[in-house]
Amino acid sequence: KNQVEQSPQSLIILEGKNCTLQCNYTVSPFSNLRWYKQDTGRGPVSLTIMTFSENTKSNGRYTATLDADTKQSSLHITASQLSDSASYICVVSANTGFQKLVFGTGTRLLVSP
Amino acid sequence: DTGVSQNPRHKITKRGQNVTFRCDPISEHNRLYWYRQTLGQGPEFLTYFQNEAQLEKSRLLSDRFSAERPKGSFSTLEIQRTEQGDSAMYLCASSLTGYGYTFGSGTRLTVV
Repeated sequence: KNQVEQSPQSLIILEGKNCTLQCNYTVSPFSNLRWYKQDTGRGPVSLTIMTFSENTKSNGRYTATLDADTKQSSLHITASQLSDSASYICVVSANTGFQKLVFGTGTRLLVSP
Repeated sequence: DTGVSQNPRHKITKRGQNVTFRCDPISEHNRLYWYRQTLGQGPEFLTYFQNEAQLEKSRLLSDRFSAERPKGSFSTLEIQRTEQGDSAMYLCASSLTGYGYTFGSGTRLTVV
């Protein structure tokens, strides 16, 4: 069964600190992996997209890594800001016709002043 | 064109009523998707259009749900005889290929 699991479920960090979110997946055949940021009551916004041949990709203070062999990904947030408080969702695309997306349940991050 | 637009943003309806949501994708995107998201969960796939053709439907899309994309541009999602379990955020996304999805802000449905 295609699944995406994320950890931790929730996280509280102090403003300015770094954090790393984890994602494990069992989606096959793998096409690409995305990290989205979702503010409460809003739609997800894409942070990074990686194919199997990419093992790291950055977007400002966000850096995603991908290990296609172990089927693991991480999202590292550097120098956190209050506006980083949101849910971070790992999404894996299966290479089945229309690129079906399999969503994780997300990590809820709270950045505290 | 500033992105995927969904209307309304919020909808409160009484159980048993019909509701319709609209999604306007990014104009050059030929693929359109509907997802449903309940509190604390990731979005679940409902259906997918390529141009005006509905190519995939999830088992979550019961007989009470219908989606259309008549001219290959905007799409509507209708729920008939709403139930309390239909309360959720309904997300629309569009893409030109299967690679770059852009999500709308969603329509939050509350069935009372």
